[in-house]
Amino acid sequence: DADVTQTPRNRITKTGKRIMLECSQTKGHDRMYWYRQDPGLGLRLIYYSFDVKDINKGEISDGYSVSRQAQAKFSLSLESAIPNQTALYFCATSDASTGGLRGEQFFGPGTRLTVL
Amino acid sequence: QQQVKQSPQSLIVQKGGISIINCAYENTAFDYFPWYQQFPGKGPALLIAIRPDVSEKKEGRFTISFNKSAKQFSLHIMDSQPGDSATYFCAAPKAAGNKLTFGGGTRVLVKP
Repeated sequence: DADVTQTPRNRITKTGKRIMLECSQTKGHDRMYWYRQDPGLGLRLIYYSFDVKDINKGEISDGYSVSRQAQAKFSLSLESAIPNQTALYFCATSDASTGGLRGEQFFGPGTRLTVL
Repeated sequence: QQQVKQSPQSLIVQKGGISIINCAYENTAFDYFPWYQQFPGKGPALLIAIRPDVSEKKEGRFTISFNKSAKQFSLHIMDSQPGDSATYFCAAPKAAGNKLTFGGGTRVLVKP
């Protein structure tokens, strides 16, 4: 969805490096999420934020941190990358109405991260 | 916590056939149960969603069947087309908020 953008789209890095993935949205949504996708495991929630001052851990937050710089921007950091963090990372947004009533979240195109 | 088990992991169906994907969840919730569709190189997108007090929801060739007592729900793709080839994820709402727990995904291939 062009309304949710992620940078970079692909990244190869080495073990121990710090890396930041960025997400921006123009949908005006207050809620933002970071997921990782691994084959057979579906999408797992890393962190979520319901507004700029609200940051919450998801199922698999260890080794990750986030920053909500503005309503439209939510970044994910890997402080010291390790190979098992190799995955496809997605940012998503929702608002309080459609997100709760229909379970609808709007996903970005993803960032493919490889940690060597 | 909410766990969602999705099966099968992959599915091959002939054009015109029916694709059936099943999901089971653990905890009762009162928000919608959505299905997402993901094409290669793209993020998932909402396909169809059902309220837990409804047993069936149909949108075009896509139908969700919901069995609240068994804590199971399924997606049926009728008259499957090659353009339906994608990965499908079911999801169940967590106890509070807009948070979802996703199933492991089903890769569907529709052969012409």
